[in-house]
Amino acid sequence: DGGITQSPKYLFRKEGQNVTLSCEQNLNHDAMYWYRQDPGQGLRLIYYSQIVNDFQKGDIAEGYSVSREKKESFPLTVTSAQKNPTAFYLCASSRYNSPLHFGNGTRLTVT
Amino acid sequence: KQEVTQIPAALSVPEGENLVLNCSFTDSAIYNLQWFRQDPGKGLTSLLLIQSSQREQTSGRLNASLDKSSGRSTLYIAASQPGDSATYLCAGAPGGATNKLIFGTGTLLAVQP
Repeated sequence: DGGITQSPKYLFRKEGQNVTLSCEQNLNHDAMYWYRQDPGQGLRLIYYSQIVNDFQKGDIAEGYSVSREKKESFPLTVTSAQKNPTAFYLCASSRYNSPLHFGNGTRLTVT
Repeated sequence: KQEVTQIPAALSVPEGENLVLNCSFTDSAIYNLQWFRQDPGKGLTSLLLIQSSQREQTSGRLNASLDKSSGRSTLYIAASQPGDSATYLCAGAPGGATNKLIFGTGTLLAVQP
C-alpha cells in the first residue's frame, strides 16, 4: 500500500539535545512538507521541498533543519535552538496541484 | 497576513442531521482550497480539493464549495453518522504560493447516535 510513514510515533528527549524525525513516502510524490501542530492552533509550515536536493523555509523554520537527498525521504531535525519543541509533527507529500497526503505524525516531548 | 477562521469551533449533532461547517480567509485570493479530516492523535486525511478553476467538489455525502469573491468555503455533510465524528480543517494557498497551505484551527464535530 502506498503512503507516508513517520517514525517514531512518540519521542522523548531532554532539553538541549537534537532529535531527528523520520518521514518516508512511496507515493512517488515530488513535494514533501513538515508541519507542526499545537493545541488550539492550526498547522504551521516548517519546511517544504519541491524536488530532491532543494528545500524552502516555511513560516516557522527557526530551530529546525531538513535534508532531501532522496525523493522518498525528508527527515526533520529539531535542534536545541528551537525554544518550544514539544509538539505534534506531521509530514505530508503531494503532486503539484493535488491533495496533500499526511503521515500519522510524531509526538515529540522535550523535558 | 492571511488568516483562516473556522466556525463553529465545536459542534454536536444527532445522527442523521445535515450540517454545514464554515471556513473564511482574510484574503479572498485563495488557491487549492482543501478540506481535511483529523481523528484524535492521527494525521490528516484529505476529503475534497477545490482547484483554482472550480467552485465546488462532491464526494459521497460531502460537498465543499468556495466563494472566491468573499474568500469563504463551506463543507456540507449530509445525513451525518457517528463515524463522521472528528476534527475538520480547511486549508488554502494564498496568492500564487500553491505549496504553502494556510490552515484553520478546525471544527470539532461530534455526531451522537
